[in-house]
Amino acid sequence: GQQLNQSPQSMFIQEGEDVSMNCTSSSIFNTWLWYKQDPGEGPVLLIALYKAGELTSNGRLTAQFGITRKDSFLNISASIPSDVGIYFCAGHNNNDMRFGAGTRLTVKP
Amino acid sequence: EAGVVQSPRYKIIEKKQPVAFWCNPISGHNTLYWYRQNLGQGPELLIRYENEEAVDDSQLPKDRFSAERLKGVDSTLKIQPAELGDSAVYLCASSPRLAFAYEQYFGPGTRLTVT
Repeated sequence: GQQLNQSPQSMFIQEGEDVSMNCTSSSIFNTWLWYKQDPGEGPVLLIALYKAGELTSNGRLTAQFGITRKDSFLNISASIPSDVGIYFCAGHNNNDMRFGAGTRLTVKP
Repeated sequence: EAGVVQSPRYKIIEKKQPVAFWCNPISGHNTLYWYRQNLGQGPELLIRYENEEAVDDSQLPKDRFSAERLKGVDSTLKIQPAELGDSAVYLCASSPRLAFAYEQYFGPGTRLTVT
């Protein structure tokens, strides 16, 4: 099925660095979401965005809902080793939710 | 509160064999989802249940896949016969509300390898 375009595919950063990833779609979504998946586990919801232009934070994580409703980005500030994992964006409408292919984040201590 | 439980966690089978996955959602959650996650990809919805009714199975390959949620609680997803391309992680998720909610609670998944 059609998925969202998420980039970068992978990132290798040093502990303490900031990281940014984004997601684009050819379709409009009413809600943008960011999930994190640890190895051997299912995705866990980090942030939900409901309104175009909205900027929302959850601890060191900040995400924005693009003004066109076709994109979103996620920033992680001052990364720590437990930030390691795969981050997925997802776009949600009433009866549909599409996931990106994920950004694999590696944090070197 | 217990999370979504899935079993088995891993399964290796030969092609053309049948396989079944089981999911027990969070207690009280009305909506249950089955997703397939291919390597290096995000989850893709296979089927969604509201209580015991399958309300969206448009992405379920019905020639070989079947699912049931008989009493509106736990659910089983079956593949018969399995093909090499079915190798993936099968995720179950649940949400407390009816309708397609974005706030879903995922289980750990069953990793299927078809040889």
